[in-house]
Amino acid sequence: EDQVTQSPEALRLQEGESSSLNCSYTVSGLRGLFWYRQDPGKGPEFLFTLYSAGEEKEKERLKATLTKKESFLHITAPKPEDSATYLCAVQAQGGSYIPTFGRGTSLIVHP
Amino acid sequence: SQTIHQWPATLVQPVGSPLSLECTVEGTSNPNLYWYRQAAGRGLQLLFYSVGIGQISSEVPQNLSASRPQDRQFILSSKKLLLSDSGFYLCALNGAGANVLTFGAGSRLTVL
Repeated sequence: EDQVTQSPEALRLQEGESSSLNCSYTVSGLRGLFWYRQDPGKGPEFLFTLYSAGEEKEKERLKATLTKKESFLHITAPKPEDSATYLCAVQAQGGSYIPTFGRGTSLIVHP
Repeated sequence: SQTIHQWPATLVQPVGSPLSLECTVEGTSNPNLYWYRQAAGRGLQLLFYSVGIGQISSEVPQNLSASRPQDRQFILSSKKLLLSDSGFYLCALNGAGANVLTFGAGSRLTVL
C-alpha cells in the first residue's frame, strides 16, 4: 500500500526565515511525486511534479527536490503570502492514475 | 483551460436529510473525475472516482453515493446525512494519461 507522510504538521516562520518541508513516501515504483498548495477554504493548486531521484523544480521562492525515499519543499526567504497548507502526493507505476496524498504541512509566515 | 465548478459552496444540513453536491467541468472531454473529502486536520480522502459516464468506483464504504449522468457532470449524494459526513468536499479531474489533478473550489458541508 502506498504511503505518504508529511512533516512537520505545522510550521511557523518569520518573514525571511528559510526552511524545508518533508514528504516521505513508500510506493511500489514511483510514477510521479506532486506538490500542491492549498489556501484556506479553497481547493489545492498544483505546484510541481517530480519524476526521478535527483530532479529539482523551482518556482519563485519554492524549490522541490526528490530522492528515492523523500521529497523536500524548500522555502527561501518566505513572505506572508506563502502561508498555506502544502500537500504532497505520490502516484505509483502501473494501475490507476489515482494519487495518494499526505496530510499536509500548514505553513504560517509572520510579517 | 480546464475549469471545475462546484456548488453549493456552503451547506448546513440536519442529520437525516438528503444531500446533493454537483460538479461540472469545462475545457476537457472524457476526464477522470474524483470526489475527495477533507476533514479538519486530516488529509484528502478519496471517496469516488469515475473514468466515464455511468462508471463509478467507490474507495470507502460509507453513507454516500456518486453518479456521472453526463461526461462533464459528477454528483455526490446521500439519502440520510450523518454527523460524520461533515467536511470539505472537493471535486477533481485529470485527463486520460495525465498525472496532475485540477481541483474545484470545494463545498463545505456542516451536518448538525
